[in-house]
This record gives sequence, structure tokens and C-alpha cells, in this order.
Amino acid sequence: GDSVTQMEGPVTLSEEAFLTINCTYTATGYPSLFWYVQYPGEGLQLLLKATKADDKGSNKGFEATYRKETTSFHLEKGSVQVSDSAVYFCALAFNDYKLSFGAGTTVTVRA
Amino acid sequence: GAVVSQHPSWVICKSGTSVKIECRSLDFQATTMFWYRQFPKQSLMLMATSNEGSKATYEQGVEKDKFLINHASLTLSTLTVTSAHPEDSSFYICSASDHPTGDPYEQYFGPGTRLTVT
Repeated sequence: GDSVTQMEGPVTLSEEAFLTINCTYTATGYPSLFWYVQYPGEGLQLLLKATKADDKGSNKGFEATYRKETTSFHLEKGSVQVSDSAVYFCALAFNDYKLSFGAGTTVTVRA
Repeated sequence: GAVVSQHPSWVICKSGTSVKIECRSLDFQATTMFWYRQFPKQSLMLMATSNEGSKATYEQGVEKDKFLINHASLTLSTLTVTSAHPEDSSFYICSASDHPTGDPYEQYFGPGTRLTVT
């Protein structure tokens, strides 16, 4: 079945460091890909998305590019802040809009 | 932004009893609501999808008689765990979509409900 694999955490970084969270997927067909973020005490919220190959999603300084060749959608940010501390989930969906999530990666940014 | 609330945020119940979890969209009309279950350090698993006024569609392997879902209005969906057992202990999360008004891929998530069955 369709699935998403993302790097295990936790990830701990210093402020202004570069962040990468790897995400790969297995699917029959070409899904839309998403990154959701969950800040402490809050519900998941959509961070960015890409609906077709080579699309780049971006938001709040985060970027991810849909790579069909490598079935990947890695999340990157050039300079993290303490406020970026959260759990990040990679996900995919087809036209039925049902999301399949990865296990989540906890990121902690230290001042 | 769109806000989804869940109540209660945590609940402890005895084995054999039933517990109801509410999911409300506070500032938009949720045409579709989703219920997920999350085990520690694992991904969210979709349990069912419900459209307002219709019966819920359950994912394979989810017992519909055990997890009763009602989506009676455009702002409220409920999940009732019937005859709960310790293996039902988990973190239950709902989300809501306002498609076709909004982005069909954007779901608004509640903060989750921690259920512990003793």
C-alpha cells in the first residue's frame, strides 16, 4: 500500500543552523505531497504542499521539492529559529484527499 | 485561521464502558471530517471519513460497531468508543475540511484526545 517514510528523530539543532528532514514515499501513481507541522499543544497544520513532480512548496522559510525520480519530498530550512521547534509530518494523498502520514520527526532548536 | 477543537483533551474510563469524543469546527463549516488514531512514536492512522448527514466511511480493519461516528451538523462530529478495552487506549485526532469552499487538500486538525482505558 501507499506509505511515507521519514527520518527518525529527535533532531536537536542550534539557532540559525540548517535543517533537513528526509521523506520518501511509496505509492502506485503520483500523489500530492505535504508537510504538516505540530507545535506544542496545538493541532497539526499544513506547512506546505506540492501536487505534481518538480513542484516546490514553500512557506515560513521552509521548502520541499517533489522529486519523482527519487520518490522524495525532503523538507529544508536554511536558518532555524527556536520557534521552529515542533513535530514535522510528511504525508501524501490522492484524489480522495485521504492523508497517509509518516511517523513524524521531533525538532528542537536551542537558543 | 480555521480552528478545530476537541473535547475532552484527555479521558480515563473503565474497561467495558463507552466514551464519546467531540470534534468541533469553530469558525467554518466542515463538510468532511476525518478521525485518526495515533500510537506512541507512530504515524497518524486514518480510521474513518465522515460527511455531514451521511454515514461514515471506515478504513479497512476499523470496526464500525466499536468506533461509532456521527457527523450530524456542519460543525460537529463525534466518535464514540463503545465497550472500551485497554487496547483502545490511544491518542485520537480529528480533522475537518471545508472543501469545496476551501483547498481540498487542506485539513484543519484538532489538538487530539488522549484516551486511557483501565
